[in-house]
Formats: sequence, structure tokens, C-alpha cells
Amino acid sequence: DTGVSQDPRHKITKRGQNVTFRCDPISEHNRLYWYRQTLGQGPEFLTYFQNEAQLEKSRLLSDRFSAERPKGSFSTLEIQRTEQGDSAMYLCASSPAPGWTEAFFGQGTRLTVV
Amino acid sequence: AQTVTQSQPEMSVQEAETVTLSCTYDTSESDYYLFWYKQPPSRQMILVIRQEAYKQQNATENRFSVNFQKAAKSFSLKISDSQLGDAAMYFCAYMGEGAQKLVFGQGTRLTINP
Repeated sequence: DTGVSQDPRHKITKRGQNVTFRCDPISEHNRLYWYRQTLGQGPEFLTYFQNEAQLEKSRLLSDRFSAERPKGSFSTLEIQRTEQGDSAMYLCASSPAPGWTEAFFGQGTRLTVV
Repeated sequence: AQTVTQSQPEMSVQEAETVTLSCTYDTSESDYYLFWYKQPPSRQMILVIRQEAYKQQNATENRFSVNFQKAAKSFSLKISDSQLGDAAMYFCAYMGEGAQKLVFGQGTRLTINP
């Protein structure tokens, strides 16, 4: 499968624990995006990378959230000291290059904080 | 800030009939892109159709077409000859020219009745 891959697909964690999600974009896509989707809502932008550089972060991305893309390939999204309000679907998307408008999405990681 | 509004949380249509999903948006920009994305249950979001704001001609992709009214800031999706596989959440989305992120509406859940 050459699509965007996210791992894990589901994560249940206790409040206060740290969690990390991984996204593998489509090969050679240099743009990578993270979105968050809560139940019954559309996805909301969190952050995006151009290769390894994080170029924009939403105000939704509090200090407890950090994203990396160390070698311009896969990316990780870490949430520290999880709260119940962090429960959501975390979507990753990639696109080939600047100016390319279509985003290719992964299936998402569903996080439940109990 | 740009906003996207989908006023129909749910729609249903008989198989083989036509359905129209509504979307309005708010922006002060003159150049932008509009999209309809489809999110089937437990599957990744995929692009259905894209419209460039500078193009007067409405985009068409097989059974999917849009009615783009720039002055009214309206962007509806028409699905002709509805098929069972069209059942999904449909999201309207906006991207400003030069911007790198999508702004999504709340979504419309489409049910196809056999």
C-alpha cells in the first residue's frame, strides 16, 4: 500500500499519560500535515511540514503538543499529559510539493483519553 | 479568518437519484480553492472534486459536479445517479491562494437508500 500510513489506528490512554503517533507519508511527498477531528466536526488544522521544517502551527497546538519530522520522511505527533479534551481522531495528510492543492489523507489515529 | 459552513448535518437519497449538498464560505480573498472531500466509514478521506475560484466554469468529475457561485460564496455538490458506495461524510473545504492548510466545514452525512 503506497498511501499515507498512520500508527497506531487506535489508542486508549489514561489522563495524564503521554502518547505518540506516527505518520508515514506517501513516498517523496515533501509536505506533511496534521489535523484533528472531533466527533461530528470537520478536521481542524494543527501543523504542517515542508520536508523537515515545521512551517506553521495552529493555536490549537498547545504547549503539550509537539510534532517532528526529523529526516523529512515520517512524522511524529506527541501529546504530553493528555486530557480528556484531547480525545479525537488525529489525521495525517501529505502532498507532493508546494502549490499542489490536493492532500492525501491517512486513516487516522483515534485517541481516547479515559 | 476564513470559515466554511455546511448547514445540512444529514442527507439521504434513493439509489440512482440526484442529491445536492450545500456549502457556504466566508473569505476576503479573491483567489482560493474549494474542495469536496469524502470520508467513508473507517476509511481515509479522499478528494472528490476541486474548484479554482478564478475559473467561472463549474468543475465536473463523472457523476459529481459543483455549482460555484463566487459572489454568493456558495459551493454546492451535486451527485447524480447516486450509488450505495457514495454513502459517507462529505466535507466542504477551503484553501486560500498561497495558503497551505485546508479549512473544513462540519460535514454532511449522506445516506443512500436502496
